Amino acid sequence: NAGVTQTPKFQVLKTGQSMTLQCAQDMNHEYMSWYRQDPGMGLRLIHYSVGAGITDQGEVPNGYNVSRSTTEDFPLRLLSAAPSQTSVYFCASSSSGPPHSDGYTFGSGTRLTVV
Amino acid sequence: GQNIDQPTEMTATEGAIVQINCTYQTSGFNGLFWYQQHAGEAPTFLSYNVLDGLEEKGRFSSFLSRSKGYSYLLLKELQMKDSASYLCAVRDSNYQLIWGAGTKLIIKP
Repeated sequence: NAGVTQTPKFQVLKTGQSMTLQCAQDMNHEYMSWYRQDPGMGLRLIHYSVGAGITDQGEVPNGYNVSRSTTEDFPLRLLSAAPSQTSVYFCASSSSGPPHSDGYTFGSGTRLTVV
Repeated sequence: GQNIDQPTEMTATEGAIVQINCTYQTSGFNGLFWYQQHAGEAPTFLSYNVLDGLEEKGRFSSFLSRSKGYSYLLLKELQMKDSASYLCAVRDSNYQLIWGAGTKLIIKP
């Protein structure tokens, strides 16, 4: 099925550990982004990419890295996990730049707990 | 600063109509989106408004007034499956989305 695939769905990390959240889309979308969702807050943009080889910071980039070597993949790396990074992470894509009238397609999310 | 306000929670009865409001203050405006998010799932796109007025899509309608910085999502003939959070998001002058915290809608039989 066409869409955005995120892995893993659940993860528990110890403080200081690193990990990579995977995101892949098969819709040939140029624009991809990573959000975190915390209780009582709106989705917050971490990093985004407007095409292969191009990435930029969003609202809350500290502690996270991204790369975009192909159109399909946009992994998010946590460099040294902290309890403040406990959250639900969503990858989202759209066909042309930040979403126009067709909105984003979201992945199913990764629930990350840092202990 | 940029701000999107929505009620935290609303309750409605199956078969009834409910209106979820969203007010916004953003640096520029390039469209407003509504998304539905069931518990434990990803948001899914519902509607998009860029001009003033009402957009209708089946049981769901969305209204926009740019001069008032105001939108609402109207859900008719409520069904139990409509129990979800509804997220309002505004695309600002940099074409990035600013998200509200969402309105949790509880449907009672």
